[in-house]
Amino acid sequence: DSGVTQTPKHLITATGQRVTLRCSPRSGDLSVYWYQQSLDQGLQFLIQYYNGEERAKGNILERFSAQQFPDLHSELNLSSLELGDSALYFCASSVDRDEQYFGPGTRLTVT
Amino acid sequence: AQKVTQAQTEISVVEKEDVTLDCVYETRDTTYYLFWYKQPPSGELVFLIRRNSFDEQNEISGRYSWNFQKSTSSFNFTITASQVVDSAVYFCALSEADYGQNFVFGPGTRLSVLP
Repeated sequence: DSGVTQTPKHLITATGQRVTLRCSPRSGDLSVYWYQQSLDQGLQFLIQYYNGEERAKGNILERFSAQQFPDLHSELNLSSLELGDSALYFCASSVDRDEQYFGPGTRLTVT
Repeated sequence: AQKVTQAQTEISVVEKEDVTLDCVYETRDTTYYLFWYKQPPSGELVFLIRRNSFDEQNEISGRYSWNFQKSTSSFNFTITASQVVDSAVYFCALSEADYGQNFVFGPGTRLSVLP
């Protein structure tokens, strides 16, 4: 158990809908990262937050947004969902630039 | 732009064999970080190692070892005396320090260790 929790574990929704994925980092970790893993694109870095502020942005679509709250948990919002958004979404946390601890992932299926 | 190549898509070995997973990277940055992650069949991602660009010393951790060669832009991973539990997909990744932890992952190498 990495100490990083993600909810929900599975999510099935329809095209055009909006969903929110939640991540709680390990106690003491200030950085949260979001990744998408799909068969087409492989593993892709989406975005990183550090202590509530956006620190780095990767291949995150404009339809996606994220935030990190004062209690350091983070949410990834995916809107206007398309079939191609079906993927495993991982959250990871770290103290700063140290090793990342990954959550179990949220499997999103868009139908 | 940075890029990570893992030319070996799949590798199969028999238990107790040594196996090396190749990773070649491209970056224009002089300061960067290299990583290896393991994704076993259960699906979780497990951090294995982080190495910064100024530390070219090879690293050994139990049966795992890493060979970082700046001259060839490679960061190869060797498992000695492989075990069935080593069966997983292994990802090499690169982070350019100037952009924080903006990661680029390689496509992964699926390692199957047969009993």
